[in-house]
Amino acid sequence: AQSVSQHNHHVILSEAASLELGCNYSYGGTVNLFWYVQYPGQHLQLLLKYFSGDPLVKGIKGFEAEFIKSKFSFNLRKPSVQWSDTAEYFCAVNAHSGGATNKLIFGTGTLLAVQP
Amino acid sequence: DVKVTQSSRYLVKRTGEKVFLECVQDMDHENMFWYRQDPGLGLRLIYFSYDVKMKEKGDIPEGYSVSREKKERFSLILESASTNQTSMYLCASTAGLETQYFGPGTRLLVL
Repeated sequence: AQSVSQHNHHVILSEAASLELGCNYSYGGTVNLFWYVQYPGQHLQLLLKYFSGDPLVKGIKGFEAEFIKSKFSFNLRKPSVQWSDTAEYFCAVNAHSGGATNKLIFGTGTLLAVQP
Repeated sequence: DVKVTQSSRYLVKRTGEKVFLECVQDMDHENMFWYRQDPGLGLRLIYFSYDVKMKEKGDIPEGYSVSREKKERFSLILESASTNQTSMYLCASTAGLETQYFGPGTRLLVL
C-alpha cells in the first residue's frame, strides 16, 4: 500500500534558522507531490506542488521543495524561518494508478514552532 | 478563488445521535472528499465522490456514510455517533488531478 512518512513530528527553531522537513513516500510509479500548511486556526492550504519538470519547486512564502526520485523523497526547505511560519506541515502524494481522481495520501504532519 | 465551506465550525453531540456534516464548493469540481484529522495521525480519507450520486470508500469508512445529490454539495453522515468519532473533519474538492482545496473544518465533540 502507498504510504507517506514525515520523519519529524515536532520541530522547534529560532527565527532566521534554516528549515528542512523530510518526506518520503512508497510508490514506484508516477506521482504528484504536495506540501500543505495549516496555520493556527486556519484551514489547510497548498504550499507548493510537483507534477513534472524541474524537480526543485518553489512555493509561497519562500518555501521550496526538491523531488529526488531515486530516494522517493520530497523534502521541504526554507533558508530563514520567521515566527509566522509556525504551523503544521503536511506532505501528500497522489499516485497515478490509472484513475482520474486525485486521491491523496497524507503524512502524519510536522508541527513547527518558531521562537522569536 | 475556490471556496469550500462547511456548515459548522464546532459541533457537540451525544453518543447515538445522527450527525450531518455539510460541505459546499463553488467551483464546479467533480471530486469531493471527507477526511478526519487527528493529532499524530495526519489526515485520513473517509469517503470521496467523483460525481453526483457516486461515492467510494476511503481508508476509514466504518461508522460513516455520505450523500452527494448535487454537484456542489457533499454530506458526511454519522448514523450513530460514538466518542471515538470525536475529531476534526475536513472537506476538500478538486477538479481531476489538480490541487485539493480544503474547507475550514468542523471540530466535532461526541459526549
